[in-house]
Amino acid sequence: GENVEQHPSTLSVQEGDSAVIKCTYSDSASNYFPWYKQELGKGPQLIIDIRSNVGEKKDQRIAVTLNKTAKHFSLHITETQPEDSAVYFCAATPNLSGSARQLTFGSGTQLTVLP
Amino acid sequence: DAGVIQSPRHEVTEMGQEVTLRCKPISGHNSLFWYRQTMMRGLELLIYFNNNVPIDDSGMPEDRFSAKMPNASFSTLKIQPSEPRDSAVYFCASSPSGGYGYTFGSGTRLTVV
Repeated sequence: GENVEQHPSTLSVQEGDSAVIKCTYSDSASNYFPWYKQELGKGPQLIIDIRSNVGEKKDQRIAVTLNKTAKHFSLHITETQPEDSAVYFCAATPNLSGSARQLTFGSGTQLTVLP
Repeated sequence: DAGVIQSPRHEVTEMGQEVTLRCKPISGHNSLFWYRQTMMRGLELLIYFNNNVPIDDSGMPEDRFSAKMPNASFSTLKIQPSEPRDSAVYFCASSPSGGYGYTFGSGTRLTVV
């Protein structure tokens, strides 16, 4: 099965700086890579995702890059703000034709943006 | 859409009691997932359904756990009897056909004393 490793487990940055979180996956069949943000007391929320047919995707201050050859993908947050402070999870999944996608999650990164 | 709705938000119960967690997926989503989140083990997939049919329950910890999805708009996760080590946050998630756009509920924080 799929195995996803996520680093770092904790990350502190100054407001306005950039933050980068990295994940590696093991299953070369994986082709969908979402990122989730979880605030205290809430469920994980999808913030951006990327499919294996593209190498980069950007949405305002957040971007995700994918290197299929190396089997790793990264989340980039620019111009960080205090409200970006949360736990971020990466996930990966292969395409299960005709069935549901079973996401395998990384262990999470606690991001703290210092004012 | 109101999103994935879970109830109750918090549950405190005594060891040995039966606990039932409830989930209403997003209308039109045909896959439903139950996750457990703890500090030690992170997010663990317990079971998932596709078109109301259980597909993979290999993550269910033991026979004390059971899940049902009697129709497309409702699912339950039952623990009987509950034990202190079951204390965790339980999330329900749903996704549309194709699997893109998993949406999580707000979770049920279970405390077994």
